[in-house]
Amino acid sequence: EDQVTQSPEALRLQEGESSSLNCSYTVSGLRGLFWYRQDPGKGPEFLFTLYSAGEEKEKERLKATLTKKESFLHITAPKPEDSATYLCAVQDQTGANNLFFGTGTRLTVIP
Amino acid sequence: EPEVTQTPSHQVTQMGQEVILRCVPISNHLYFYWYRQILGQKVEFLVSFYNNEISEKSEIFDDQFSVERPDGSNFTLKIRSTKLEDSAMYFCATGLGLTDTQYFGPGTRLTVL
Repeated sequence: EDQVTQSPEALRLQEGESSSLNCSYTVSGLRGLFWYRQDPGKGPEFLFTLYSAGEEKEKERLKATLTKKESFLHITAPKPEDSATYLCAVQDQTGANNLFFGTGTRLTVIP
Repeated sequence: EPEVTQTPSHQVTQMGQEVILRCVPISNHLYFYWYRQILGQKVEFLVSFYNNEISEKSEIFDDQFSVERPDGSNFTLKIRSTKLEDSAMYFCATGLGLTDTQYFGPGTRLTVL
């Protein structure tokens, strides 16, 4: 069965303090790895899709990278509005197209 | 920017009652999904729907659950006889193609008393 483990569970940063979130995965053939942002009581908001090891995607203060076993979401000089739970999900190559999610990293950025 | 919409935003029901949750997908998307998230837990897949039939379903999606696209626009999830453990946020997601990004709606919070 697919497994996705995210660490840390929670992270508190000062505004401007850069850091990285980790997503380790075990999957029978990766079709895609997805990063979402989720605010309390809201639906997941799409950030990035990564398909192959070595791929990188950037958007504003966020950068996602992918290896054969894990993905990192790097946050550079975060602002309080970056506070949210960041979810990682994988889609495998078995034919099923559902996403398998991790439990997320709850990020708090303190002004 | 097109977005997935869901109604109602919050549904309170008594145990044993039927509920129908509604979703309006992004207009040109072909793949539709339901996920749920119990408070404090991870997002879990329920069912995927393509070409007017279920393509995949999880163990959670038992005989109490059904989905349909009754009018070509709405996509619905029906729970026939709700249980206390069905209390959760239910998210609809839609995608253009099989491997394309899934875009999520804002969710329906279902509370079963």
